[in-house]
Amino acid sequence: DGGITQSPKYLFRKEGQNVTLSCEQNLNHDAMYWYRQDPGQGLRLIYYSQIVNDFQKGDIAEGYSVSREKKESFPLTVTSAQKNPTAFYLCASSWDRVTEAFFGQGTRLTVV
Amino acid sequence: AQSVTQLGSHVSVSEGALVLLRCNYSSSVPPYLFWYVQYPNQGLQLLLKYTSAATLVKGINGFEAEFKKSETSFHLTKPSAHMSDAAEYFCAVSAPIQGAQKLVFGQGTRLTINP
Repeated sequence: DGGITQSPKYLFRKEGQNVTLSCEQNLNHDAMYWYRQDPGQGLRLIYYSQIVNDFQKGDIAEGYSVSREKKESFPLTVTSAQKNPTAFYLCASSWDRVTEAFFGQGTRLTVV
Repeated sequence: AQSVTQLGSHVSVSEGALVLLRCNYSSSVPPYLFWYVQYPNQGLQLLLKYTSAATLVKGINGFEAEFKKSETSFHLTKPSAHMSDAAEYFCAVSAPIQGAQKLVFGQGTRLTINP
């Protein structure tokens, strides 16, 4: 079945550590996205990528980094510079502006 | 710039009653609008979308939404609520960014169904 796979589902990080969240899609979509979800704030765009080897900052990119070396993969690194990383992170992909975005099941990151 | 406002962070209805979740949007270009549903600790699932065809859009699980340009609204309705409809619902408008799609989300509305 086609879809988006995020791993791990739950992740715990000590303060000062970098962690990488995985996102893989087999939908052959060109565009991929990372959103952050906090209670009562909806979803906010962190980074997006339209094609391989190209990505752009979203609304809240500070403290995060991404790479897009393959069409299928768009990993997100939460660096130690992110002051409040505890959140639910969602990866998505889409064809274009008209078609819907497909979402993964999310990764819940907790700083301990 | 595109934006979305969902009126009511929490809505509670009785099983079998009408569900109405409100969404108003702002867009500088013809909007593409979406409703998504999210169950606890899961991703978002598309309920329905408006992409400039019919103004009344039917989605999954008996939901539908009507695009009203004059009111800049895209409210979500379901005639008869079911217990399984309890979830969080997000309205989103699609903003163009270099050919890709940025979804601008509302704050979400948590729907509770009372037995």
